Amino acid sequence: DVKVTQSSRYLVKRTGEKVFLECVQDMDHENMFWYRQDPGLGLRLIYFSYDVKMKEKGDIPEGYSVSREKKERFSLILESASTNQTSMYLCASSYGLAGVDGELFFGEGSRLTVL
Amino acid sequence: EDKVVQSPLSLVVHEGDTVTLNCSYEVTNFRSLLWYKQEKKAPTFLFMLTSSGIEKKSGRLSSILDKKELFSILNITATQTGDSAVYLCAAHLRGAGSYQLTFGKGTKLSVIP
Repeated sequence: DVKVTQSSRYLVKRTGEKVFLECVQDMDHENMFWYRQDPGLGLRLIYFSYDVKMKEKGDIPEGYSVSREKKERFSLILESASTNQTSMYLCASSYGLAGVDGELFFGEGSRLTVL
Repeated sequence: EDKVVQSPLSLVVHEGDTVTLNCSYEVTNFRSLLWYKQEKKAPTFLFMLTSSGIEKKSGRLSSILDKKELFSILNITATQTGDSAVYLCAAHLRGAGSYQLTFGKGTKLSVIP
């Protein structure tokens, strides 16, 4: 079975802190994604990566950066956390050398609270 | 702007009822439509639809796509409390948008005994 693992299920941080969210997939997928999910807004794409060291902005990249140094790992970074970044963060991965070739496989989510 | 709209946003039914969830889309370069079920954690994949009029079925769940009218429905027959979840649909684009899925806001289904 494909597994996408997010290392932190629940985090509480203070405004201004730097936050790292880690995601690892074990199926050699080319594509990896970070979404945030908020009530009433659904899933919104923050960043995605289609190859090692490659990254593309999604719909809401402001306040976030990402890193993909190895194929299996995709990190989301909040340089200076703010209260409006309190959310559920979902990592996903998929096959596809030129785009998503089928379904996305999701991790279980990281619920971040910024105080 | 690409848009996926799901209706209703929430629904409460009794066990044994049949429900129909709706998903309409307005996207350029449509490639496929996907349905996911999200309980408390990760969304899990249900169906991917690429062709009009061909029903996909898995147990009590089925789904169909209408590419002319730009919508899809997800049917659940003989609902059970375990069907309680948020159901998400997403449109997948061709070409420049082919890495991205545009998600609807979801339909929250509650099945009561």
